[in-house]
Amino acid sequence: AQSVTQLGSHVSVSEGALVLLRCNYSSSVPPYLFWYVQYPNQGLQLLLKYTSAATLVKGINGFEAEFKKSETSFHLTKPSAHMSDAAEYFCAVSVPPSGGSYIPTFGRGTSLIVHP
Amino acid sequence: KAGVTQTPRYLIKTRGQQVTLSCSPISGHRSVSWYQQTPGQGLQFLFEYFSETQRNKGNFPGRFSGRQFSNSRSEMNVSTLELGDSALYLCASSLESSGGTDTQYFGPGTRLTVL
Repeated sequence: AQSVTQLGSHVSVSEGALVLLRCNYSSSVPPYLFWYVQYPNQGLQLLLKYTSAATLVKGINGFEAEFKKSETSFHLTKPSAHMSDAAEYFCAVSVPPSGGSYIPTFGRGTSLIVHP
Repeated sequence: KAGVTQTPRYLIKTRGQQVTLSCSPISGHRSVSWYQQTPGQGLQFLFEYFSETQRNKGNFPGRFSGRQFSNSRSEMNVSTLELGDSALYLCASSLESSGGTDTQYFGPGTRLTVL
């Protein structure tokens, strides 16, 4: 079974500072990994995904994440935070199916707070 | 291209009632998944439909059911509502698969409140 742990339910940064949101996964087989963002009263939007190609994945809005197999991590970063980045961020993992389809497992989410 | 739409956006029901939520996927998408989002449990997978067939089911009681129509639109039904069913119900569509290389597109959700 796969699982995801997001360290820190809240992360607070100043505008212009580095954003680092942590995600560690557990999977018995090579996983697919995703980061989603959710703004208030909206659904989730995919930021980026890792599907076994390049380990450094670039996404939308200046975000990127690096897949580190040895650390079972997929941390999300952005060099310079913007006020509009304030939202809830979810890491998710899914594994190739064995007899079924993919079922993504989501982390509990990290709320990013950006101070002016 | 229009996004995923969900109706209604807000719903208030009382315990014991039943409710039906609707989801219209992006045109051409055949996979529709449903999720329940609560502060306590986070995002949990309910089920996935593909070509009118339930392909996967999460760990929810039988009170939660769904179906998919030939045009890929999907509905989910919750019978005998309980207070704990209060949640944001999210629908997501993708071309073929819920969690593989296909990108899932989420709707805005239906906020269900059970009194």
